[in-house]
Amino acid sequence: EPEVTQTPSHQVTQMGQEVILRCVPISNHLYFYWYRQILGQKVEFLVSFYNNEISEKSEIFDDQFSVERPDGSNFTLKIRSTKLEDSAMYFCASSETAGDSYNEQFFGPGTRLTVL
Amino acid sequence: DAKTTQPNSMESNEEEPVHLPCNHSTISGTDYIHWYRQLPSQGPEYVIHGLTSNVNNRMASLAIAEDRKSSTLILHRATLRDAAVYYCILRDGGAQKLVFGQGTRLTINP
Repeated sequence: EPEVTQTPSHQVTQMGQEVILRCVPISNHLYFYWYRQILGQKVEFLVSFYNNEISEKSEIFDDQFSVERPDGSNFTLKIRSTKLEDSAMYFCASSETAGDSYNEQFFGPGTRLTVL
Repeated sequence: DAKTTQPNSMESNEEEPVHLPCNHSTISGTDYIHWYRQLPSQGPEYVIHGLTSNVNNRMASLAIAEDRKSSTLILHRATLRDAAVYYCILRDGGAQKLVFGQGTRLTINP
């Protein structure tokens, strides 16, 4: 069964450093998402991406964040200058369609980001 | 985003049915009711969704009240693997993002 994969599973970085989280969505999917979950809190939407551009983003997704689909398979989330409060589990998701009744999003296993 | 209310936690026994309630009194006519679950240390996973009629799939059933102000996710025969946080999410048919609440933490006793 096709699945979303994410690398690395755990990333430790120093405050102020740049990190890139990587995701490989399901191959025939067209819509891509990033969510995050701070330990013990809700899963929060960050951004959605379609046709090589951001289609929606949340207030969390400020200028420190960016997303890119550098090739036909990878989808990345970059945090330019990490802060302590960026420590969280980051989930990538993809869906075949969006904006209709059936929009099952498939989530990856997550990358745990720890900012020291 | 329309709000849902779920109990913080529920407990059930293995091989028994589980009914997980969700209240959504401010649901709009274009909101679909989605259920996702998050197993320990994993990403969320789609369970089921519906609009007005009750729905069944291999994982669960979704019972939707006639006025659509509440719904119930039914696991017909819970297993230990069903222990997870279950999220009831309202999503407008035209929307992309999922808005998660706190969900219901389901514990299954052997």
